[in-house]
Amino acid sequence: DVKVTQSSRYLVKRTGEKVFLECVQDMDHENMFWYRQDPGLGLRLIYFSYDVKMKEKGDIPEGYSVSREKKERFSLILESASTNQTSMYLCASITGASGTYEQYFGPGTRLTVT
Amino acid sequence: GDSVTQMEGPVTLSEEAFLTINCTYTATGYPSLFWYVQYPGEGLQLLLKATKADDKGSNKGFEATYRKETTSFHLEKGSVQVSDSAVYFCALLAGANNLFFGTGTRLTVIP
Repeated sequence: DVKVTQSSRYLVKRTGEKVFLECVQDMDHENMFWYRQDPGLGLRLIYFSYDVKMKEKGDIPEGYSVSREKKERFSLILESASTNQTSMYLCASITGASGTYEQYFGPGTRLTVT
Repeated sequence: GDSVTQMEGPVTLSEEAFLTINCTYTATGYPSLFWYVQYPGEGLQLLLKATKADDKGSNKGFEATYRKETTSFHLEKGSVQVSDSAVYFCALLAGANNLFFGTGTRLTVIP
């Protein structure tokens, strides 16, 4: 089974702190994604990466950055956390093969910024 | 641009009732369509998928048919169980990196 793991299930940080959310997948997938999930808004794409050291902005990249130094690891960074970044963060990975894409999701990190 | 619109919830049903959650899409090409399920406290799991028109995806008693003429991919189950209580997301994939989600529909099944 594909495993996508996230470093924390629950995280509480203070406004202004630098926050790192880590995601690791064990199936050698090329593409990895970070979403945030908010009530009534569904999933919104923050950033994605299609290869090591490559990244693309999603729909809501403001206030976030990412790092992909190794193929299996994709990190989301909140440079200076704010209360409006309180949310559920979901990491996902997908194969690069054509025609039969599936996204595999991690369990999520519920971040609270106080 | 591409998008997905799904039925707003919440939906509350009695056990063994029939379930329909509507999903319609807008796409310029020929996307693949998915339903994901999120159980309380967990991430998203792929429930079923269809990659071309008239395909029917099915899993765990759930079904959805890719209808190009009505641009729909409605989720159905003939007899829901309490364990089906979750949030359901319709999604459209228009390429390796273009996955669009609906806003989710929360289903609660009561005994």
